Amino acid sequence: KNQVEQSPQSLIILEGKNCTLQCNYTVSPFSNLRWYKQDTGRGPVSLTIMTFSENTKSNGRYTATLDADTKQSSLHITASQLSDSASYICVVSPGGFKTIFGAGTRLFVKA
Amino acid sequence: GAVVSQHPSRVICKSGTSVKIECRSLDFQATTMFWYRQFPKQSLMLMATSNEGSKATYEQGVEKDKFLINHASLTLSTLTVTSAHPEDSSFYICSASLGQGKISYNSPLHFGNGTRLTVT
Repeated sequence: KNQVEQSPQSLIILEGKNCTLQCNYTVSPFSNLRWYKQDTGRGPVSLTIMTFSENTKSNGRYTATLDADTKQSSLHITASQLSDSASYICVVSPGGFKTIFGAGTRLFVKA
Repeated sequence: GAVVSQHPSRVICKSGTSVKIECRSLDFQATTMFWYRQFPKQSLMLMATSNEGSKATYEQGVEKDKFLINHASLTLSTLTVTSAHPEDSSFYICSASLGQGKISYNSPLHFGNGTRLTVT
């Protein structure tokens, strides 16, 4: 069964600290993996997209990694800011437009 | 950057009435758009894939007669919740992919800001 599991479910960190969010998937075949940021009450915003051949991709303070062999991805946030408080969603595609969403990690950044 | 506009952002309706939600791609053409439903503290659930000029493809368990989708142009898709009931209250979000055909498979999805539907 195609599944995307994210951990932790929620996370609280202090402003300025780094954090890493995890995404494990059992999706097969694999086409791409995406990380999105969703602020409360808003639509998700794309952070990164990685295909099979890519193992790391950065977008500002966000760096995503992908290990297609172990079917794991991580999203690392550097020097967190209060505005990073949001849900982070991992989405895996087995091909075409088909997508499988993780449940997300809710990140709270405190001053 | 690519912008997807969703309207209205909030709507309250009485049980038994129908509600139409619009999703527009403002600066690009979207052959394919997607509709999702999101319950509190849960992730998005794909309801249907909306294809311009053809019938939408619904996910298993989604009633096509309940959630009517029309994609009459390359920049507009609408979702109509017919005969709404309180259990239809939810956050509905649309998205569109930049590019066409296989090129768009690995492109970002651009999401609208969602519509909060409350059925009383």
